[in-house]
Order: sequence, then structure tokens, then C-alpha cells
Amino acid sequence: TAGITQAPTSQILAAGRSMTLRCTQDMRHNAMYWYRQDLGLGLRLIHYSNTAGTTGKGEVPDGYSVSRANTDDFPLTLASAVPSQTSVYFCASSDSETHEQFFGPGTRLTVL
Amino acid sequence: GQNIDQPTEMTATEGAIVQINCTYQTSGFNGLFWYQQHAGEAPTFLSYNVLDGLEEKGRFSSFLSRSKGYSYLLLKELQMKDSASYLCAVLSNDYKLSFGAGTTVTVRA
Repeated sequence: TAGITQAPTSQILAAGRSMTLRCTQDMRHNAMYWYRQDLGLGLRLIHYSNTAGTTGKGEVPDGYSVSRANTDDFPLTLASAVPSQTSVYFCASSDSETHEQFFGPGTRLTVL
Repeated sequence: GQNIDQPTEMTATEGAIVQINCTYQTSGFNGLFWYQQHAGEAPTFLSYNVLDGLEEKGRFSSFLSRSKGYSYLLLKELQMKDSASYLCAVLSNDYKLSFGAGTTVTVRA
């Protein structure tokens, strides 16, 4: 079982360009999350989805959008990237009974 | 909102014990998680406490006191592979996780 996969593994992006980070899970979890991790700040929630068809804003949503067309996929889009969005991005999904979150391997994004 | 504090760094010797403290102030509480994260990798689940007391899992134990807003993770018989960041995270009433900044543990021979 793959669990959660993310693509790409890493990316260098010019400022002003758009990009979609992909996330797919095969555990049939209802809830999914996007975090960014920056040195000294820990993991911060960008957007979340409690179930397919619904999304919500986390702690740092500005500059990002998400969609949840089905249970498995939860893409994160940067419409017009800025250097402050340079970070490591983790996707996660959670078990509805234990609330344990399972994390993907991360995408390292550099915006120049 | 959530305010979660844990030390930035700790160093210990192989075979020793290390205790990582976490204090939190939250507007809602549904449990506390500890995650381990090796450099360049994803966080992985270590423990979950929702009731007061000590939960033991092999070399790792986690303690919670809800009235004090306090938890600790105890790592016993330290091994070199335990060198990692340890993340304290509080589960809110709406089942969102808020993370502390993490504690980097370095195990020396």
C-alpha cells in the first residue's frame, strides 16, 4: 500500500508562475490537510478538507487554493508564487476514529 | 488559538534517557500527539494521549496532565537512530492539529 504520495519531490519555480502540488492517498481517509514547514516555525496548516467536496482555511491560507473532487486527491495550487512561499510542503490524511495523521514524503519548493 | 512550547534542542548520550517537555495553552483540547521526524523525511506517529497519565510503548513513553497543560515524551536507552526532531501537537475540538516548533534531539556516542 502506497499510503500518501506527493509530486513533485522538489521544484524550483520563478516568482509569478503558478504551480500545483499533487497529493494522493489510498487509505480512504475522509480528512486531508496541507501544511508548510519552515525552520523554527514548525508545521503550519494551510488548508484542509474534512470530506470530498468540502474545504476549509487553516492558519496560513493566503496565496494558496485547494480542491477536493474525490476522496483520494487533494491538490494545492499556488496561483502566483512569491519567494516567501519557499518551504517544504506536506500533505496528510487522518483516520476518522483515531485522528492520527499520516504524512506524505513532502515537496520541497523554492521560489526565486 | 493554540500556543505550544517545547525546547529547541537537546543532546544526550547513547544509552541514556531524555525527556522532552511540551506545554500548551489551547482554546479546545481533544488529545495530544507526539511525532518523530528524521531530517528530510515526513513526520511519523509516536504516541497519542487523551487522558491524564503515562502511556508506554517500548523505549518511548508519553505523559499528559490536562489540568497543567503539560506533556512529556520520554526516550529511554537512546540509540543513534533516535537522533531526530520530535513534534508535540495538540488536537483541537474541531480535530485540527496544531504543532509546536519541534525539539531536535542529538544522540552522541
